[in-house]
Amino acid sequence: AQSVTQLGSHVSVSEGALVLLRCNYSSSVPPYLFWYVQYPNQGLQLLLKYTTGATLVKGINGFEAEFKKSETSFHLTKPSAHMSDAAEYFCAVSDRTGTASKLTFGTGTRLQVTL
Amino acid sequence: DAGITQSPRHKVTETGTPVTLRCHQTENHRYMYWYRQDPGHGLRLIHYSYGVKDTDKGEVSDGYSVSRSKTEDFLLTLESATSSQTSVYFCAISESTGYYEQYFGPGTRLTVT
Repeated sequence: AQSVTQLGSHVSVSEGALVLLRCNYSSSVPPYLFWYVQYPNQGLQLLLKYTTGATLVKGINGFEAEFKKSETSFHLTKPSAHMSDAAEYFCAVSDRTGTASKLTFGTGTRLQVTL
Repeated sequence: DAGITQSPRHKVTETGTPVTLRCHQTENHRYMYWYRQDPGHGLRLIHYSYGVKDTDKGEVSDGYSVSRSKTEDFLLTLESATSSQTSVYFCAISESTGYYEQYFGPGTRLTVT
């Protein structure tokens, strides 16, 4: 069975500081990994995804994530936080077997950006 | 933005009443999913569909049923709502399986009193 662990349910950074949101996964097969962002009272929006190939993945809004197989990690980073980055972030792993791709989500990390 | 709508967007109902939530897509995607979002749990899969009339259970399917009679519509029914089903419900669609991302609707906030 797959699982995702997001360390830190709340992360607070100053505007302009580095953003680091942690995600570790467990999967019996090579994973497909996703980061989604959720703004208040909205649905989830895809930030980026890892499928195969290059382990450093760039996404929207200046975010990127690095797939590290040896550490079973897929941490999300952004060099300089902006107030508009305040939201909840979810890491997810896709089940590659069966009749559909079922996503298993982490419990989420709420990012607060302060002045 | 992917063309996904959910209705109603908000609903308050009483324990024991039936409730149906609707997801409608204009993307002609084959796969559709229902998730619920609860604090401390992230999103959990309730049911999914891999084609018209083809559905299967997800992680938290007890107390829920689904139907898909047309490509564009995926209905989630709570046969007899309970307070534990108070949640935010999200529909998602995807073009295919594997590395294809899922696109999410705006959500339905359901309160069972």
